[in-house]
Amino acid sequence: EAQVTQNPRYLITVTGKKLTVTCSQNMNHEYMSWYRQDPGLGLRQIYYSMNVEVTDKGDVPEGYKVSRKEKRNFPLILESPSPNQTSLYFCASSPQGGLRNQPQHFGDGTRLSIL
Amino acid sequence: GNSVTQMEGPVTLSEEAFLTINCTYTATGYPSLFWYVQYPGEGLQLLLKATKADDKGSNKGFEATYRKETTSFHLEKGSVQVSDSAVYFCAQLTTDSWGKLQFGAGTQVVVTP
Repeated sequence: EAQVTQNPRYLITVTGKKLTVTCSQNMNHEYMSWYRQDPGLGLRQIYYSMNVEVTDKGDVPEGYKVSRKEKRNFPLILESPSPNQTSLYFCASSPQGGLRNQPQHFGDGTRLSIL
Repeated sequence: GNSVTQMEGPVTLSEEAFLTINCTYTATGYPSLFWYVQYPGEGLQLLLKATKADDKGSNKGFEATYRKETTSFHLEKGSVQVSDSAVYFCAQLTTDSWGKLQFGAGTQVVVTP
């Protein structure tokens, strides 16, 4: 089954404790992206990757890092999490970024609570 | 700059009622337009899309038409069911966005029996 898999689904942690949210897709997509969802703001892009070893900032990259060493994986790293990063996070992928008729496939989300 | 605006919710309806969720966009050029749906506790699923003016996207009884003249992509369904209760997001993909989907704030729809 074609899917985008995120782990963990839920995490409660404390300020300053490094964490990684993994994302993996099995569709051989070149483009992958991370979004955060906050009430009243919809989803906002954090980082994206057009292909292996090619990543760039989205609209809200502060406090986050990403890497793209393999095509299927695109982990989101919070080096020193803070309470304002409490949010619902989504990973997404598409065959190629930017093409108009290619919708993105989303994972089921990761709910992070930073105390 | 580019933006997507959709009506605020929650929208509460009775089963079999008509649903409309308004969405307007601002963009340079001609974006692709999408509606995504998020059921409780789940991720986002693509509901329908339209990639050029006058295109009509449809799925599961939902429809939306890409209106260039009014820069709108309103979502409609003629007879909603309780199972349609969800949050609906309008989104655009512009040619200069490097694949970034730009979302509206989302509209929660609650359908009661």
